[in-house]
Amino acid sequence: TQLLEQSPQFLSIQEGENLTVYCNSSSVFSSLQWYRQEPGEGPVLLVTVVTGGEVKKLKRLTFQFGDARKDSSLHITAAQPGDTGLYLCAGSYGNKLVFGAGTILRVKS
Amino acid sequence: DTAVSQTPKYLVTQMGNDKSIKCEQNLGHDTMYWYKQDSKKFLKIMFSYNNKELIINETVPNRFSPKSPDKAHLNLHINSLELGDSAVYFCASSQGEKLFFGSGTQLSVL
Repeated sequence: TQLLEQSPQFLSIQEGENLTVYCNSSSVFSSLQWYRQEPGEGPVLLVTVVTGGEVKKLKRLTFQFGDARKDSSLHITAAQPGDTGLYLCAGSYGNKLVFGAGTILRVKS
Repeated sequence: DTAVSQTPKYLVTQMGNDKSIKCEQNLGHDTMYWYKQDSKKFLKIMFSYNNKELIINETVPNRFSPKSPDKAHLNLHINSLELGDSAVYFCASSQGEKLFFGSGTQLSVL
């Protein structure tokens, strides 16, 4: 059983569509991070959410931290082919950062 | 300039061989890590060093031995490679909670 569950595992959509990916846990986290990983590269940090209920925006990406700090969501508006990649959520657990299994997003033009 | 660089990018080797992966960071960070990403893209921490000292050692076979000659370098040596060791290995560094990853080493054990 993973500490962080991500859904969906795979998402294939057309350019211009909206989408939401989820990161859920039964544990409370002091913060959650979202990373994007492109093929052949390492993950790159997109955002860190710290406060319960917090909403952060990064251009067309909106990140939300659940009120109870157990879950987070990433919403992409008007997806573009350049958004294609693996989206990973991560949370601090003890002295280490643990990752969810990721959501593979493919945006077709 | 690359912040976290690891070599080689690809490593193809036979079962039973010994191999090393090197990692260097020029960010001045105190903490470095090795992560393993399996075929299902799950990223799991293996080791963490802070200022050359081992602080995290997950349940990893002792065939894997990290070495940190200084805080800018963290190398990974693997003895007696097995088929199940095939994966992408990522080096990372951090100051605080933000991780900076290298571009990965794809290890294929035949």
